[in-house]
Amino acid sequence: EVQLVESGGDLVQPGGSLRLSCAASGFTFSTYWMSWVRQAPGKGLEWVANIKQDVTKTYYVDSVKGRFTISRDNAKNSLYLQMNSLRVEDTAIYYCARDHPIAASGTVDHWGQGTLVTVSS
Amino acid sequence: IQLTQSPSSLSASVRDRVTITCRASQGINNYLVWYQQKPGKAPKLLIYGSSTLQTGVPSRFSGSGSGTDFTLTISSLQPEDFATYYCQQVNSYPPTFGGGTKVEIK
Repeated sequence: EVQLVESGGDLVQPGGSLRLSCAASGFTFSTYWMSWVRQAPGKGLEWVANIKQDVTKTYYVDSVKGRFTISRDNAKNSLYLQMNSLRVEDTAIYYCARDHPIAASGTVDHWGQGTLVTVSS
Repeated sequence: IQLTQSPSSLSASVRDRVTITCRASQGINNYLVWYQQKPGKAPKLLIYGSSTLQTGVPSRFSGSGSGTDFTLTISSLQPEDFATYYCQQVNSYPPTFGGGTKVEIK
């Protein structure tokens, strides 16, 4: 069974930093693109970033470019999101997500339960 | 690429046929995905490639369209289908989502 378990969400002040982690199990992690998707409270979904299996490619939504960094450790079956210079508008539930093995990149076939990041003074 | 879903919400009864539309601001071929999300839960993949049903999804769900206009149809609404539905384009980066359609019980 595919499992994605996020951790690291917290309350942080504007301008602060946070590192999210996602522990993956139940599949061969190193063979999948992985993504982060977020959802502000009571709002819709927003794709944040993804990373290729071999770490040679990463993509970001414009609003986080230069502030967030996605990374992975295939030996530890883990995905990460380093978030710097956090803004109030980054407040959201952050989902770790596995990209579909056949469909176009960005298509998510498994989601974690999410971790809440709150940016507030 | 912007995606506009309509309606933003609808009320329907069990066994009703429900259609949700998603319009893209530019052509996205058939790179359109549909998700279902229930309150307090992560989204669930329903359809990818505009019309391919994800494994395990009931056949009452279907998708169609290409280019800029797409539809999600639920042929006979069931109690467990009351949820919010999102479309997503994966034709080009960054992938973007529609604003969602909330399906409520009439």
